[in-house]
Order: sequence, then C-alpha cells, then structure tokens
Amino acid sequence: GENVEQHPSTLSVQEGDSAVIKCTYSDSASNYFPWYKQELGKRPQLIIDIRSNVGEKKDQRIAVTLNKTAKHFSLHITETQPEDSAVYFCAASLSNFGNEKLTFGTGTRLTIIP
Amino acid sequence: NAGVTQTPKFQVLKTGQSMTLQCAQDMNHEYMSWYRQDPGMGLRLIHYSVGAGITDQGEVPNGYNVSRSTTEDFPLRLLSAAPSQTSVYFCASSPRILAGRAADTQYFGPGTRLTVL
Repeated sequence: GENVEQHPSTLSVQEGDSAVIKCTYSDSASNYFPWYKQELGKRPQLIIDIRSNVGEKKDQRIAVTLNKTAKHFSLHITETQPEDSAVYFCAASLSNFGNEKLTFGTGTRLTIIP
Repeated sequence: NAGVTQTPKFQVLKTGQSMTLQCAQDMNHEYMSWYRQDPGMGLRLIHYSVGAGITDQGEVPNGYNVSRSTTEDFPLRLLSAAPSQTSVYFCASSPRILAGRAADTQYFGPGTRLTVL
C-alpha cells in the first residue's frame, strides 16, 4: 500500500517568515494530494490540494508543489501569522476513484513565534 | 446543512464493552470513511464505504465493524473494546468520485474521543 512520510515533525518560525513542510509518497499511481490543517481539539480541515496533472497550486499565502518524478510534494506558507499555528497533515490518494484510501502523513506541528 | 455530525463527543468504556459511534451527513455524499487519530501517528483509515450497501477495510480494521444501510449514515461498531482502541475517531465524507476523474475534498466530522479503561 501507499506510505507517506512527512517532515519535519515540529517547526517553529518567526511571524512573517515562511514555513515549508515536505512529504514523500511511495506509490507512483497516487494522483491526489491534499493538505489538512488541524487546530487543537478541532477536526482536520482542507487548506489546499493538488492533483497529479498539476505541478504547483497557490491560494493567497499558501502554495503546494508536486514533483511526480521524485514522488514528493511540499506545502509553503508565506508571511506566517499567529493563526497559522496548528498541526498540518499531508495525504496521498492511490485509487483511480479518488480518495477512497487516503493515506496521511504523521503531521507537522507548526508554531509561529510572535 | 449540518455537514458531517458525530455522536457522542466523548465516551468512556470498560474493557470488553461494546458500543456504536454514530456518523451522519446531509450532503448526499456517497463516500464515507472512519479514521482513528493517535498521537504521532496521524490519521489511519479504519473502514470506508463508496455507497449504500458497500463497505471495505482500511489500514486498521481489526476490532471494528461497519455497515452502510443508507447514504446518510455510517456507524462504527466496537465489538469488544480494548485499551488499544483509546483514540480520537473521525468520520469523513466526500462526493462520489467517477471513474477516471480526480478526487474531491473529504469533509470531517467533529470527532469522538474514546477512552477504554
């Protein structure tokens, strides 16, 4: 099955700086890569996703890049703000029917230092 | 539109007890799934369903049963609770994915925090 590795497990950045979280996946058939943000005690919420036919996607301060050859994808957050502090999870979907078997990384705890 | 709802929010069980975690969605989503979340391990898929009457196992199915009699509901049953099942359980749903089409967003419920003593 699919295996997703996520690094780093913890990340602290100064407010206003950029944060980068990286994930690698094992199965080249994976075709959908979402990123979720989870605040303490809350449910995971999708913040951005990318499909295998796209190399980069941006939404305001958040961007995701995908390198299919190397089988890795990254989340980039620019101009970080205190409300960006949370745990971030990457995931990869293997099935042609989409996200039937979404495999998650182990999460990155991002702390924004004021 | 309530989205994905889960009950109860908290539950304490004794070893060997059984119970059902409830999950419902009002978005007419065909795909539903159950995850457990443990510290340092992310979210792991327990069972999933691509439509009423169809279920399949995920990564960690042992000790859990599911059924999908309606599109709206996807209950998770713990047959004989064990301390290793202490976790936070999330239910999620997403629209039907047509063959050859890209995936879509999964919407998560608020979670159930389960403690097994």
